[in-house]
Amino acid sequence: QSALTQPASVSGSPGQSITISCTGTSSDIGGYSYVSWYQQHPGKVPKLLIFEVNNRPSGVSDRFSGSESGNTASLIISGLQAEDAADYYCSSYTNRNFLVFGTGTRVTVL
Amino acid sequence: EVQLVESGGGLVQPGGSLRLSCAVSGFAVRSQYMSWVRQAPGKGLEWVSVIYTAGTTYYADSVKGRFTISRDNSKNTVSLQIHNLRVEDTAIYYCARDIDEAVTTLGFWGQGTLVTVSS
Repeated sequence: QSALTQPASVSGSPGQSITISCTGTSSDIGGYSYVSWYQQHPGKVPKLLIFEVNNRPSGVSDRFSGSESGNTASLIISGLQAEDAADYYCSSYTNRNFLVFGTGTRVTVL
Repeated sequence: EVQLVESGGGLVQPGGSLRLSCAVSGFAVRSQYMSWVRQAPGKGLEWVSVIYTAGTTYYADSVKGRFTISRDNSKNTVSLQIHNLRVEDTAIYYCARDIDEAVTTLGFWGQGTLVTVSS
């Protein structure tokens, strides 16, 4: 199965807002509202940011938000901070075999 | 406190086998959806396998037929048996658990165990 498609890199200046897209198909993103987003700093374990499209676990900053339209989900980071520099991955339930990840996006804070 | 600790990684020759284990504490493996996720060096995350609370299992196409996920409720562990290893299986293997609100969300992760396939 193919990974969900994310841009390889996104950059922004401190204080700005950036959006990371995640495109799939009707078998995954388009068919279910089961998109999650993860943040991974170099050498660290992935951390859950968003689940079921736009829900934040306890302890995650409200600067992170999610949305979905058709076969594409998005992660929005507002008020960009230096600590947001990391790799970001989306995932979605898929009716093929349970779960598929996105290709990953590296966020650079200028 | 929820904890997941993987073990069993190492250096293995192509065609070899390995058994990875994930010991958990703070919850019962039989009560949660447990997954294995891998990450090749410098690459992205790849979901590998899941075992449902009901015992149903699913696999990524890339590992189907070579990997087997299982759990031992008495020992509170989840395992991944890997056969016919390939160079492209080289990766950090993470054990991960769902969250109570969403079984398709991986909210708890172990530190990972490195599997290196090389001759």
